[in-house]
Amino acid sequence: EPEVTQTPSHQVTQMGQEVILRCVPISNHLYFYWYRQILGQKVEFLVSFYNNEISEKSEIFDDQFSVERPDGSNFTLKIRSTKLEDSAMYFCASSEALRGKAAQHFGDGTRLSIL
Amino acid sequence: GESVGLHLPTLSVQEGDNSIINCAYSNSASDYFIWYKQESGKGPQFIIDIRSNMDKRQGQRVTVLLNKTVKHLSLQIAATQPGDSAVYFCAENIDDYKLSFGAGTTVTVRA
Repeated sequence: EPEVTQTPSHQVTQMGQEVILRCVPISNHLYFYWYRQILGQKVEFLVSFYNNEISEKSEIFDDQFSVERPDGSNFTLKIRSTKLEDSAMYFCASSEALRGKAAQHFGDGTRLSIL
Repeated sequence: GESVGLHLPTLSVQEGDNSIINCAYSNSASDYFIWYKQESGKGPQFIIDIRSNMDKRQGQRVTVLLNKTVKHLSLQIAATQPGDSAVYFCAENIDDYKLSFGAGTTVTVRA
């Protein structure tokens, strides 16, 4: 069964450094998403991406965050200057269509640890 | 605040019994709901979805019930197995893109 793949599985970074999290969505999917889950808390929406632009973003997704689809298969999340509170699991998801027509499918996440 | 939540944070069930996991939502305009299962160290795994024009949908060993009158969603797992031990989330598509997740119910299956 096709799946969303994320790399790396664990990223350790010094505070203030830039980090790039990578995702390969399911190949025929058109909509891409990033979510995060701080330890012990709910999964929170960060951003959605369609047709090479952001379609929606949350208040968490500030100027330190950016997303990109650099080629036909990868989807990346960049955090420009990491803070301690950015430590979390980051999940990439993709869907074939929008709500009501197709569910979002998630990868296994990248655990980001900021020191 | 969050529009989706779960009634109980934990559920312990005997292997072979049926499990019922509940979820309440507050946005009456929501029209699409998804149940996810999250095992330790993994991402949310799609189980089943339901649109608001339905009140019941069945999958393999799972049934989702939607009661729009009281804004309640439930997931029933038949003949619960040890592999069903996980955290279960209901999620609500509150607009075209964003999923709003509940806090999750941890299901533990006793042998």
